[in-house]
Amino acid sequence: SAVISQKPSRDICQRGTSLTIQCQVDSQVTMMFWYRQQPGQSLTLIATANQGSEATYESGFVIDKFPISRPNLTFSTLTVSNMSPEDSSIYLCSVGGGGRGYTFGSGTRLTVV
Amino acid sequence: KQEVTQIPAALSVPEGENLVLNCSFTDSAIYNLQWFRQDPGKGLTSLLLIQSSQREQTSGRLNASLDKSSGRSTLYIAASQPGDSATYLCAAYNTDKLIFGTGTRLQVFP
Repeated sequence: SAVISQKPSRDICQRGTSLTIQCQVDSQVTMMFWYRQQPGQSLTLIATANQGSEATYESGFVIDKFPISRPNLTFSTLTVSNMSPEDSSIYLCSVGGGGRGYTFGSGTRLTVV
Repeated sequence: KQEVTQIPAALSVPEGENLVLNCSFTDSAIYNLQWFRQDPGKGLTSLLLIQSSQREQTSGRLNASLDKSSGRSTLYIAASQPGDSATYLCAAYNTDKLIFGTGTRLQVFP
């Protein structure tokens, strides 16, 4: 299965600022997925990122708040923009699907103060 | 719309016990079901993947079963150890996305 390197592992940010999270995969993949896990909650899909096209966002998530880049088949970034304390969560990227199951990055623990 | 529920929400047991974690899903038309482990503040580690045509998968002390007709999956942990302490998540794969359960937070004490 693919190996994903995600960074940063954690950050503490001031409200109103932005943070960009990076995920690097050790093999080429068609789709990459970004999730949010709010404190004490399960994972919620933010968007699906395909190389060469705009990301597809789930209900409740918008591109202005969570812009995503997918410049090639092994890399993607998620930016959390104009942050507020409510954005404090763990953010995870993932690849996989079909019969192979899913692999996740190690997560980015974001605290907004 | 697929909904995935896990019970119990939390479990605290002495080491050595055999454990049963339950996962229920509302839409039986799943492609596969995957169990994950999550340590506090960390990412997800895949434990077992069960294809829709399979009924169970085993890895070491872990065994997961799948009954699509009843909308249930069960994760068995044999001879639990303190190192098994973590949150366990099940996720059902429908069409094009994973739907996660609410998780079971497990604590195994010496």
